[in-house]
Amino acid sequence: KAGVTQTPRYLIKTRGQQVTLSCSPISGHRSVSWYQQTPGQGLQFLFEYFSETQRNKGNFPGRFSGRQFSNSRSEMNVSTLELGDSALYLCASNWGRGNEKLFFGSGTQLSVL
Amino acid sequence: DAKTTQPTSMDCAEGRAANLPCNHSTISGNEYVYWYRQIHSQGPQYIIHGLKNNETNEMASLIITEDRKSSTLILPHATLRDTAVYYCIVRVAFADNYGQNFVFGPGTRLSVLP
Repeated sequence: KAGVTQTPRYLIKTRGQQVTLSCSPISGHRSVSWYQQTPGQGLQFLFEYFSETQRNKGNFPGRFSGRQFSNSRSEMNVSTLELGDSALYLCASNWGRGNEKLFFGSGTQLSVL
Repeated sequence: DAKTTQPTSMDCAEGRAANLPCNHSTISGNEYVYWYRQIHSQGPQYIIHGLKNNETNEMASLIITEDRKSSTLILPHATLRDTAVYYCIVRVAFADNYGQNFVFGPGTRLSVLP
């Protein structure tokens, strides 16, 4: 069974640009969560999608957005990139019911120059 | 904010048991304790979770104190590949129509030494 797949693995952008990251959850999983990891702030929750609806949101500015498609695949978008957006962006999935563990992908390493 | 407190770092000799403590003194009755680990530049990997009973799986054992205010993750025979950051997380088991998020603290950096 394939795990959580994130593309691309590495990305280099410049300030002011926008970026779209993609996540394919494990087959059958309906919930997709996104996390940002930086050396200074650690792992921080961005948002969670379930059945194409944002169900939970972390404390990030509106430049960070996401969406989920009917096949549960998800994308996150960051507009007007800032240097501080350089981070490892992690996607995780599960069935989205009650007490469940999260399955994480390997992440997309974004560098903003 | 994270609801757990863990040591910043620990060392363990290869082949010995690694015991990683976690304090969660404000845990509620409906909150589970989860453990994840993260090897450098990879996504976190689930290890184990529990509510109040001790749990064991192929990777580790989880010992939760009777008052549930602390727990210990035990890796019975640590190997070099167990070197990672270990995160202890408490979270509520939400119903289907509620969102979910895991709050990660800084974790414990475990170094397994040859």
